[in-house]
Amino acid sequence: QKEVEQNSGPLSVPEGAIASLNCTYSDRGSQSFFWYRQYSGKSPELIMFIYSNGDKEDGRFTAQLNKASQYVSLLIRDSQPSDSATYLCAVNSGAGSYQLTFGKGTKLSVIP
Amino acid sequence: DAGITQSPRHKVTETGTPVTLRCHQTENHRYMYWYRQDPGHGLRLIHYSYGVKDTDKGEVSDGYSVSRSKTEDFLLTLESATSSQTSVYFCAISMGLTLSNYGYTFGSGTRLTVV
Repeated sequence: QKEVEQNSGPLSVPEGAIASLNCTYSDRGSQSFFWYRQYSGKSPELIMFIYSNGDKEDGRFTAQLNKASQYVSLLIRDSQPSDSATYLCAVNSGAGSYQLTFGKGTKLSVIP
Repeated sequence: DAGITQSPRHKVTETGTPVTLRCHQTENHRYMYWYRQDPGHGLRLIHYSYGVKDTDKGEVSDGYSVSRSKTEDFLLTLESATSSQTSVYFCAISMGLTLSNYGYTFGSGTRLTVV
């Protein structure tokens, strides 16, 4: 059974701080990694994907991947109250697999 | 919303009745998925499709069936609804082939309540 684990939170950070969200996965064959943001009562929306070891930056968001340790993280710099949402980590196991396995999500609350 | 529509948005039904949820896409994507989302369980895959009339089961497929007679439509049917099927149901589409850089695009969801 492929598993994706996230701390459920809630994670509370003050406005302007860096929020750090972590995810571990069990399948060493996993190849692609995604972060989705989900506001309460809404559908998930893709904010980042990464497939190579290291960091990938997009605006205030940085995804970090370490395949040897089987973890992926999302950093949100200069956190804003509008970043308050649940963040879902999702993993694709690569060739021949067209499905994503999702973690249960981490709820982030940015305090003004 | 990226060419994916779910209907209905909300439904209340009685235990034992059949229910069909519809997912419609205008993107001509090959891959379509049905997930349910429940507190404490996250998103769990029910069924998916990799082409017209090509479908397969996910991890929580018991009590559900699907059909895909056209590229644009993927139907999820609860043959005899039970209270344990009360959930939010999301359809997703993918450009697929390798998935690597694309991930999913989700529909707006259907909130189903079985009483």
